[in-house]
Amino acid sequence: QKEVEQDPGPLSVPEGAIVSLNCTYSNSAFQYFMWYRQYSRKGPELLMYTYSSGNKEDGRFTAQVDKSSKYISLFIRDSQPSDSATYLCAMSPGTGTASKLTFGTGTRLQVTL
Amino acid sequence: DTEVTQTPKHLVMGMTNKKSLKCEQHMGHRAMYWYKQKAKKPPELMFVYSYEKLSINESVPSRFSPECPNSSLLNLHLHALQPEDSALYLCASSQNSAGPAQETQYFGPGTRLLVL
Repeated sequence: QKEVEQDPGPLSVPEGAIVSLNCTYSNSAFQYFMWYRQYSRKGPELLMYTYSSGNKEDGRFTAQVDKSSKYISLFIRDSQPSDSATYLCAMSPGTGTASKLTFGTGTRLQVTL
Repeated sequence: DTEVTQTPKHLVMGMTNKKSLKCEQHMGHRAMYWYKQKAKKPPELMFVYSYEKLSINESVPSRFSPECPNSSLLNLHLHALQPEDSALYLCASSQNSAGPAQETQYFGPGTRLLVL
């Protein structure tokens, strides 16, 4: 079993839809959770980071963490064609030193006109 | 400013060549990372430098040689690579202290490497 599971998609939605992207994990030591967006042939761009359980909102994006279920989500409201990209979840144990990020496999999202 | 820069953007090299990839950040971050990413896969960690010292080497072959000349710069020296080493090489940095903001990694745009 992988430490982090993420549905690879592709996920295709119409413009304006609400998108839900999800990851599950098995390592209870993970404390910090991040979402990255990666356009084709570009580096990952940090979208949001959260600590422990709870919600965090930034514009059209909302990140949720449920540590009891070992489940994290990213919601995108009013999706736009420019949101078409691969979304990677990542997490770390938060040791206070440079530590290894564990990534999901990424979900490819296509927002159509 | 959360920018990590990488040069060159693209690199084509033969199996006998020696080349170097360069990464730079001016965010005052004290941890820097090299990742390798193949198509449709997540980034794979190669090396971590913490306060200019190598702290993690993920069993990377010796044909990849990292170097951290100072806290802002990170190099990856390449020698005798194989065609299967063709990939996107990503550099990242983080503050390297406790806290979710401090541990968050910021990535550069990557160098796309093709080994012939």
